[in-house]
Amino acid sequence: EPEVTQTPSHQVTQMGQEVILRCVPISNHLYFYWYRQILGQKVEFLVSFYNNEISEKSEIFDDQFSVERPDGSNFTLKIRSTKLEDSAMYFCASSDSSGANVLTFGAGSRLTVL
Amino acid sequence: AQSVTQPDIHITVSEGASLELRCNYSYGATPYLFWYVQSPGQGLQLLLKYFSGDTLVQGIKGFEAEFKRSQSSFNLRKPSVHWSDAAEYFCAVAPDDKIIFGKGTRLHILP
Repeated sequence: EPEVTQTPSHQVTQMGQEVILRCVPISNHLYFYWYRQILGQKVEFLVSFYNNEISEKSEIFDDQFSVERPDGSNFTLKIRSTKLEDSAMYFCASSDSSGANVLTFGAGSRLTVL
Repeated sequence: AQSVTQPDIHITVSEGASLELRCNYSYGATPYLFWYVQSPGQGLQLLLKYFSGDTLVQGIKGFEAEFKRSQSSFNLRKPSVHWSDAAEYFCAVAPDDKIIFGKGTRLHILP
């Protein structure tokens, strides 16, 4: 069964450092998403991406966050200058259609900011 | 604003017992509804979904959920739980092309 692959599974970084989380969506999917889950809290929407541009972003997704699809297969989330409160599990998801789509989620990348 | 409420943070049941996890949503129309499961160290796996039609939907791993419009609920059920069902369960709604999750219910199974 096709799956969404995320790397790294766990990254530890110092506050202020840049972090890039990578995702390989399912190959024929066109819509891409990042979600975040702070420990003990709910999964929150960060951003959706379609046709090489952001379609929607939440208030969490401020100027320190950016997304990119650099090579037609990877979908990355960059955090420019990490803060302690960025520590969370970050989930990538993809789907083949918009609207009432069914997202396929990756296993997540756990980010720990020290 | 759209929201999803899972009133139970933790639920503990004995192996073999029946299970019901509660979910209520707040939305102007009937949204698309989902249940996801997250096992320790794993990602989010879709258990089942409701878009329209029959209000009782069957999912994977023996789970089912019933949509009740009058109660704005979409409770998840399983007649007999197994130890491997211990996980966190998230109810979710999709008012548009993004999903809004509830805070989750952690299920503990007693041997």
